Amino acid sequence: GDSVTQMEGPVTLSEEAFLTINCTYTATGYPSLFWYVQYPGEGLQLLLKATKADDKGSNKGFEATYRKETTSFHLEKGSVQVSDSAVYFCALYNNNDMRFGAGTRLTVKP
Amino acid sequence: GAVVSQHPSWVICKSGTSVKIECRSLDFQATTMFWYRQFPKQSLMLMATSNEGSKATYEQGVEKDKFLINHASLTLSTLTVTSAHPEDSSFYICSARNTANTEAFFGQGTRLTVV
Repeated sequence: GDSVTQMEGPVTLSEEAFLTINCTYTATGYPSLFWYVQYPGEGLQLLLKATKADDKGSNKGFEATYRKETTSFHLEKGSVQVSDSAVYFCALYNNNDMRFGAGTRLTVKP
Repeated sequence: GAVVSQHPSWVICKSGTSVKIECRSLDFQATTMFWYRQFPKQSLMLMATSNEGSKATYEQGVEKDKFLINHASLTLSTLTVTSAHPEDSSFYICSARNTANTEAFFGQGTRLTVV
């Protein structure tokens, strides 16, 4: 079945550092890809999405590009802030089924 | 974006009792709803997928008689944890989508503690 493999955490960065969280997937057909964020004590929020190959999703300074050739959807941000500290989940949606990666906890220190 | 409301946000119940969690789509018709369970510091585990008006499809290893899911209308799905035990304590999250959306919108989650 479909699956998502996500870079293991935790990840600790200093403020203004560059962030990359790797995500690769296995799926039949053409899934939609997402990054969700879960701030401490809260539920999940959609961060960004891409629905077809070569699409780039972006939001709040975060970006991810749907790479079908490498089956990847890596999350990047050029300069992280303390407020970006959260757990990030890569996910795919395909054939009425949604799968999540294991989540990566990011802590940004001042 | 669309709004999904989950209720209650937290609940404490005694072992052996049943607890019902509601998931409502407030401004769209949710043809499909998903129920997830999240253990501390772990990823989401899909429990079941329900389509309005039909029986839920449960993931392998999820007891359908213990976790009763009802999706009777296009705006409401419920998860009932029957005869709850301490090991059922967890964070339960629902999500909903309609046929026009490729993404799912999440409720705020329900923290269940069984004592």
